[in-house]
Amino acid sequence: SQTIHQWPATLVQPVGSPLSLECTVEGTSNPNLYWYRQAAGRGLQLLFYSVGIGQISSEVPQNLSASRPQDRQFILSSKKLLLSDSGFYLCAWSAGTAPRSEPQHFGDGTRLSIL
Amino acid sequence: KNQVEQSPQSLIILEGKNCTLQCNYTVSPFSNLRWYKQDTGRGPVSLTIMTFSENTKSNGRYTATLDADTKQSSLHITASQLSDSASYICVVSPNYGGATNKLIFGTGTLLAVQP
Repeated sequence: SQTIHQWPATLVQPVGSPLSLECTVEGTSNPNLYWYRQAAGRGLQLLFYSVGIGQISSEVPQNLSASRPQDRQFILSSKKLLLSDSGFYLCAWSAGTAPRSEPQHFGDGTRLSIL
Repeated sequence: KNQVEQSPQSLIILEGKNCTLQCNYTVSPFSNLRWYKQDTGRGPVSLTIMTFSENTKSNGRYTATLDADTKQSSLHITASQLSDSASYICVVSPNYGGATNKLIFGTGTLLAVQP
């Protein structure tokens, strides 16, 4: 069966520090991968998605970047964190070659607090 | 602007009772509509996915309905259990073309089931 792992579960970082959040998927190949941010009282916002190694699409201009160095690894990064980067970050995957009615499967998220 | 609006924002019911959550959307055209359950501090989990041609879809005690003419969907929970306490999120997949899912998320209905 497929599983998705995200870490760390919680993170407290000072303003201006770098960030690296990692997500890995097991039990599937060539998944579509996604990074979302969920702010309190707001719907999930898609930050990045990837359909293959090295292929990254950015949905909103921001202080963050994403990379996909391996088929089942997705990394969210920042060189200098801002207060506004605080939030709940979720990684998700969906079947790469399936019709668009395939569900997206989410990890358990990283709670990021910027001080 | 494509939007997904959910009501009520929050709901408290007694264990064993039924409840219905509402979702109105303006996304058009759309590929499918999904309902997710998100436990506090966890990632969302898919409950149902309905294409625009489907009227109803069940998953155990959860039954989703879709009226594409009025652009409304509902999620009915039967014989609620304490474990149903969670946020329920309505998600619409626009039909932009292409293989990648780009989803529009509602802000969720927070359900609390009390003993």
